[in-house]
Amino acid sequence: KAGVTQTPRYLIKTRGQQVTLSCSPISGHRSVSWYQQTPGQGLQFLFEYFSETQRNKGNFPGRFSGRQFSNSRSEMNVSTLELGDSALYLCASSFHQETQYFGPGTRLLVL
Amino acid sequence: AQSVAQPEDQVNVAEGNPLTVKCTYSVSGNPYLFWYVQYPNRGLQFLLKYITGDNLVKGSYGFEAEFNKSQTSFHLKKPSALVSDSALYFCAVRDSTSGTYKYIFGTGTRLKVLA
Repeated sequence: KAGVTQTPRYLIKTRGQQVTLSCSPISGHRSVSWYQQTPGQGLQFLFEYFSETQRNKGNFPGRFSGRQFSNSRSEMNVSTLELGDSALYLCASSFHQETQYFGPGTRLLVL
Repeated sequence: AQSVAQPEDQVNVAEGNPLTVKCTYSVSGNPYLFWYVQYPNRGLQFLLKYITGDNLVKGSYGFEAEFNKSQTSFHLKKPSALVSDSALYFCAVRDSTSGTYKYIFGTGTRLKVLA
């Protein structure tokens, strides 16, 4: 089975712009979660989608949003980018909310 | 509140020696516990998990972890460390107190295996 894929792998944006990241889960997995990883804050949970519905949400501002499509692929959007949004964004998929399997991540740099 | 603690930012061990990476947790109910490893510029890779049953769990790459309910710990171990084990290790717990599930990760422990 193919693993979790994320695109793009690297991204450079400037402050004020917006960005969309994409995640394709493992085939058959309907739950997709997003995390932000920074050296200072570690791994922070953003949100989780299941069957196109947001099921859980972390403590991030409304600039961070996501969605999930009928094929379980998910996108994450960050609007009005700030310097502090520079991070590795990780997507994870799971089957029946057990083990999460992570993608390689998208490294976002905001200048 | 549910939480996971990894008390050591870094662990250094000589190649061939046994290694231990510590994790303690605080959850209500029965914990689902996980260990992940992250290599530079990569996502997290699943190593092993504890849900129920035998307290000693075996996982990938020769790693194992011991669940200790009385000490609320889930330490990761390997009998003989390899230089290639050098990476960032995360402990995680599944939190189900809100009625749905969230995964809470520790802050990570950097393992350095010295040749």
